[in-house]
Amino acid sequence: EIVMTQSPATLSVSPGEGATLSCRASQSVSTTLAWYQQKSGQAPRLLIYGASTRATGVPARFSGSGSGTEFTLSISSLQSEDFAVYYCQQYSDWPPRYSFGQGTKLEIK
Amino acid sequence: EVQLLESGGGLVQPGGSLRLSCAASGFTFSSYAMSWVRQAPGKGLEWVSGISGSGGGTYYADSVKGRLTISRDNSKNTLYLQLNSLSAEDTAVYFCAKLRGLRTGPFDFWGQGTPVTVSS
Repeated sequence: EIVMTQSPATLSVSPGEGATLSCRASQSVSTTLAWYQQKSGQAPRLLIYGASTRATGVPARFSGSGSGTEFTLSISSLQSEDFAVYYCQQYSDWPPRYSFGQGTKLEIK
Repeated sequence: EVQLLESGGGLVQPGGSLRLSCAASGFTFSSYAMSWVRQAPGKGLEWVSGISGSGGGTYYADSVKGRLTISRDNSKNTLYLQLNSLSAEDTAVYFCAKLRGLRTGPFDFWGQGTPVTVSS
């Protein structure tokens, strides 16, 4: 099983500033890595797939990078609606045994 | 517009069973793999089961293998999850999610979830 580890658990940032979230895989997943945003009481929303491709409708201030075992989600100029929990997920395993990171809570400083 | 609408959740006693449904619309249902993902109260996301577009391939997390059964009816555009031998550890919101591909891929659309509470 591929274990996904996110850091930090909580990140406090002021609106207008940038944020960098990290995700590490226990073994290489190439670029089969996705990022999701989840707001309280809502379903997750796909932000990034293929490690760096923005999903439809996702603002350009969200960007993803990395390959293999190390990945980053960067958010520039944070807006109020960006404060949420972010999860990374690998979809490399076959047969599928998809796994998520434990999440990073992005909170207002 | 893609829509996924789960139903069937509720309160069930330990050892009991439930059948969850997910009605899909807005896309060619049989062309995409589907999955169920759950989230225990205050916890993160856990993938529990997946099924290929044709229904010929079914997959489970080790934590639920043997107790959960995923299926789909492509003529009704509906995904199912049969939950048996439930315990308190199965208490969670269960989301159905569409994968971006026929066999695998990220989860590009999610339903709003149906809550399952296992308690006596």
